[in-house]
Amino acid sequence: GAVVSQHPSRVICKSGTSVKIECRSLDFQATTMFWYRQFPKQSLMLMATSNEGSKATYEQGVEKDKFLINHASLTLSTLTVTSAHPEDSSFYICSARLPAGGKEGYTFGSGTRLTVV
Amino acid sequence: ILNVEQSPQSLHVQEGDSTNFTCSFPSSNFYALHWYRWETAKSPEALFVMTLNGDEKKKGRISATLNTKEGYSYLYIKGSQPEDSATYLCASTANSGNTGKLIFGQGTTLQVKP
Repeated sequence: GAVVSQHPSRVICKSGTSVKIECRSLDFQATTMFWYRQFPKQSLMLMATSNEGSKATYEQGVEKDKFLINHASLTLSTLTVTSAHPEDSSFYICSARLPAGGKEGYTFGSGTRLTVV
Repeated sequence: ILNVEQSPQSLHVQEGDSTNFTCSFPSSNFYALHWYRWETAKSPEALFVMTLNGDEKKKGRISATLNTKEGYSYLYIKGSQPEDSATYLCASTANSGNTGKLIFGQGTTLQVKP
């Protein structure tokens, strides 16, 4: 089936540094990818929608300069957390809409646990 | 209902018990309702995508129903097994130009004791 590979699974970084998270669609072309964030005991919250070859669309309250999204190819989308701070520590996960469209569902990466110290 | 809500938040059952959980979602502009099964350190696994009012889907011992008029879906697990232990997420998408945004509930964490 359609697989999205997400790396790294865990990362610890120092405050002020930047961290890049990658999501690759392995056996299909993902024209649209979604980036979610999850705080403890809360639901997955959509941060932004990335479309191949165009600028990402960010949800209200998400700083686009803080969370840089690049979707330069049909198989790769990246999320860069810039100048990370401890409050950015969270679980980040990407999702791609399957080629047949929304009624066929979505496939997810396995997530990245970011800890900023 | 403005958000997607799931209940209960967690559930502990004995092996062999049948169980069910609820997902409530906004009924206006409804497009699709998704159920996922999520084990720790793995990707969420799609269980069902449901679109039609009254729809009922089944996958092995797991089944789901959908009521789009009142905005709820039930997930049933018959004869729970320890391997069913996971967090079950539901998410809805709205028919707003089919942007594909999934709005998730907080999940129901199921623990099946042998």
